[in-house]
Amino acid sequence: QVQLVQSGAEVKKPGASVKVSCKTSGYTFSSSGISWVRQAPGQGLEWMGWIGGYNGDTKYAQNLQDRVTMNIDTSTSTAFMELRSLRSDDTAVYYCARYPITPGGSWGQGTLVTVSS
Amino acid sequence: EIVMTQSPATLSVSPGERATLSCRASQSVSSKLAWYQQKPGQAPRLLIYAASTRATGTPGRFSGSGSGTEFTLTISSLQSEDFAVYYCQQYNDWPLTFGPGTKVDIK
Repeated sequence: QVQLVQSGAEVKKPGASVKVSCKTSGYTFSSSGISWVRQAPGQGLEWMGWIGGYNGDTKYAQNLQDRVTMNIDTSTSTAFMELRSLRSDDTAVYYCARYPITPGGSWGQGTLVTVSS
Repeated sequence: EIVMTQSPATLSVSPGERATLSCRASQSVSSKLAWYQQKPGQAPRLLIYAASTRATGTPGRFSGSGSGTEFTLTISSLQSEDFAVYYCQQYNDWPLTFGPGTKVDIK
């Protein structure tokens, strides 16, 4: 079955960078892309961007495009999201999700990133 | 950017009752609308896509309708496991955008 398994929780200081991975299995990685979504504590869902699994084409949310980079490693069917110049309001759970949407609706389990001095 | 709004913010319903959740887009998204359910400490779960198609494993008591700018998620008879937050998302245009959510809680 389709699985998206994310890397573990991170604690970072303001100004640092974080890189979250999303290892996929159960489908042909190049057949679709990965969206990244984050959720601050007690808040709603915020779409961060998307990367294509075939050629690494990207779409970023305008408010993050100066600080975020998404890439893929097709040899391991893994997607990565790096966020730089971290601030306290970047504290959130970060999710990867398969996109375009498929009937199974696959999401990763989430990665908590805490930004604190 | 397409702005998604949801109403009400909170819906208090008794088990066995019907719940109707609304989602509105600031411009047409055709039928490219998904509904997600999220419980505390869990990842969102896809319930409905293409406005009215149930995702794999979605119980028949969940139904979606609408197109263009107005959408509805109906839960015909609420079960205890349905108390959660529900989000709509448009995927007709970049950036993909979510609504702020509707919390369904026990009356």
